[in-house]
Amino acid sequence: GAVVSQHPSRVICKSGTSVKIECRSLDFQATTMFWYRQFPKKSLMLMATSNEGSKATYEQGVEKDKFLINHASLTLSTLTVTSAHPEDSSFYICSASGPGAHTEAFFGQGTRLTVV
Amino acid sequence: QKEVEQNSGPLSVPEGAIASLNCTYSDRGSQSFFWYRQYSGKSPELIMFIYSNGDKEDGRFTAQLNKASQYVSLLIRDSQPSDSATYLCAFTPEGDYKLSFGAGTTVTVRA
Repeated sequence: GAVVSQHPSRVICKSGTSVKIECRSLDFQATTMFWYRQFPKKSLMLMATSNEGSKATYEQGVEKDKFLINHASLTLSTLTVTSAHPEDSSFYICSASGPGAHTEAFFGQGTRLTVV
Repeated sequence: QKEVEQNSGPLSVPEGAIASLNCTYSDRGSQSFFWYRQYSGKSPELIMFIYSNGDKEDGRFTAQLNKASQYVSLLIRDSQPSDSATYLCAFTPEGDYKLSFGAGTTVTVRA
């Protein structure tokens, strides 16, 4: 399968600071990237969908000014958690898919964010 | 009503047995169906996808899809301790790439 690389895998930051998470598709063009968060023992919750070159579409209840998503190229999307608070601590996972119907999504390794 | 319902588990099976996982979905326009496996602290990895009614087999895994009943299942034959994980079913609605996930079923294979 295709490879999606997510970085960093773990990050600890202080409250009030911002953290950027990168998601790269290494061997295919990712026209669409998805960002999820997952709390312990819970399922994945879709935060937003980003298409290359356009603004991200956020799911209901997700603050777009807090979770900034940029998808400037077909191989890179970034999620920036701004002014992080302890309640933002979670497991963030990106996935990427290419063009066409029935296209499976490939997941990055995930980023464990801890805000102290 | 939730979009995707999974049998809640946890499910414990002895080594060598068959583990059966079930998932129902509410959107009749759903197009593609996926089963993911997630180990603790890791991101999901795709096990199988299925688009057409019927069975699809891949090694020890068999996915079954019944669109009329809005039901998809996963059978794990000859279960191994390494199969112990949380299994997530997911689907994409018609005309969309967004995955909707079920809550997951945790499977434990007892040696």
